[in-house]
Parts: sequence; C-alpha cells; structure tokens
Amino acid sequence: RKEVEQDPGPFNVPEGATVAFNCTYSNSASQSFFWYRQDCRKEPKLLMSVYSSGNEDGRFTAQLNRASQYISLLIRDSKLSDSATYLCVVNTVGDYKLSFGAGTTVTVRA
Amino acid sequence: ETGVTQTPRHLVMGMTNKKSLKCEQHLGHNAMYWYKQSAKKPLELMFVYNFKEQTENNSVPSRFSPECPNSSHLFLHLHTLQPEDSALYLCASSRDRQSNQPQHFGDGTRLSIL
Repeated sequence: RKEVEQDPGPFNVPEGATVAFNCTYSNSASQSFFWYRQDCRKEPKLLMSVYSSGNEDGRFTAQLNRASQYISLLIRDSKLSDSATYLCVVNTVGDYKLSFGAGTTVTVRA
Repeated sequence: ETGVTQTPRHLVMGMTNKKSLKCEQHLGHNAMYWYKQSAKKPLELMFVYNFKEQTENNSVPSRFSPECPNSSHLFLHLHTLQPEDSALYLCASSRDRQSNQPQHFGDGTRLSIL
C-alpha cells in the first residue's frame, strides 16, 4: 500500500464552483500534514498546513480525520488561477522525511 | 520570488557527461534536500543534509553524488547517467529536520539524458 494516496483527477469545475478532494495515508503515526500546490512544470509551493482541528485560509479549507486516516482540501468559489496539481504531504512522528502523494489535478474553466 | 534558487533550469546531457546541479537557499535554513520528480509520480526523496552533514541517502545510485559545503549551498554531481534518470530535480530547504517544518522548494532543474 502506498504511504500517501490521492485521486489523480482531473477535477474539471466551472468558475465559482466548490471542489473538494481527499488524501489517505497509511501510517497511523503520521503527525504533520500539508497541502502543496504545483503548477505545470513549476516547483511545489506550500499552500497550507493541516491542523487537527481543521483550518481555513481564505477560500481554502483543510481538514484532518485521524480515525479514517485522511485529510481533505476544499476550495470554494473556484478561480481560474486555482488550476493546478495539489500535492498531499504527510510526515511521521520522529521522522523528518516527507511522503508525497502523486497529486490531484484541478482544472477550473471559465 | 523563491528563497531557494537552482541552476541550471534545464540541462541536456549525454550518458557519458559529467555535470553538476546547484542549489542555494537564502532563508537561513539548516536542512536541505534533493528530490527527483518523474512524470505522474510522487516526489522521491534522494538526499538530506542537516547542518552540512548528510543524514539520509535514500538508496540512490552512486552516479548521483551530493555535496553540501555549507548550510546555504547544495550540489548534485552527475556522471554516467541513464535515460531513466531524466526527470525534474528539486532542491528544498527547511528550518530544521523537525517533522512539523514545511519545506520550501526551488524551481527545479529539468534534466534530459540523451
């Protein structure tokens, strides 16, 4: 089983729509969780950390479900500029190595 | 503007060539990383340096040789590469090796092996 699994998509949504997707992780000892965004042929950029209580940053909401071992990302009022691949990143207690998912591609159309 | 810069941005080399990738971070971080990203695959960690000391070699072939002269600079020396080594090579840094520290990435070097 892969350490981090994501639905590759693509999720094709119109502007203004809400899109949400999950990421599952296999190691129950995982402690730190992040969402990164990667544009085509560019480097990954940190979008947001994911906290146990869930957190929001503008139109983006991240949630953590430890019991089912998944994190989610919800994008409200999608913009064309939100089109990107979203990488789920998980880190394990006492281990600095990040495990990356292969990414979920989101395409927002006009 | 990224705090982590990589050069060159693109590199085409033959299997018998020797080249080096360079990474420099301007963030005052103590940990630096090399990753490989192949098409449609997750990022693969290659090497980790913490305070200039290599702390991780993730079973990387010896044709890849890292060098970290100080906390701000990281090199990846390449020799006798194979076509399957064609990929995007990303450098990253973080404040330290703690698990809750996010990593900041450079633009990457897109490497093509002929």
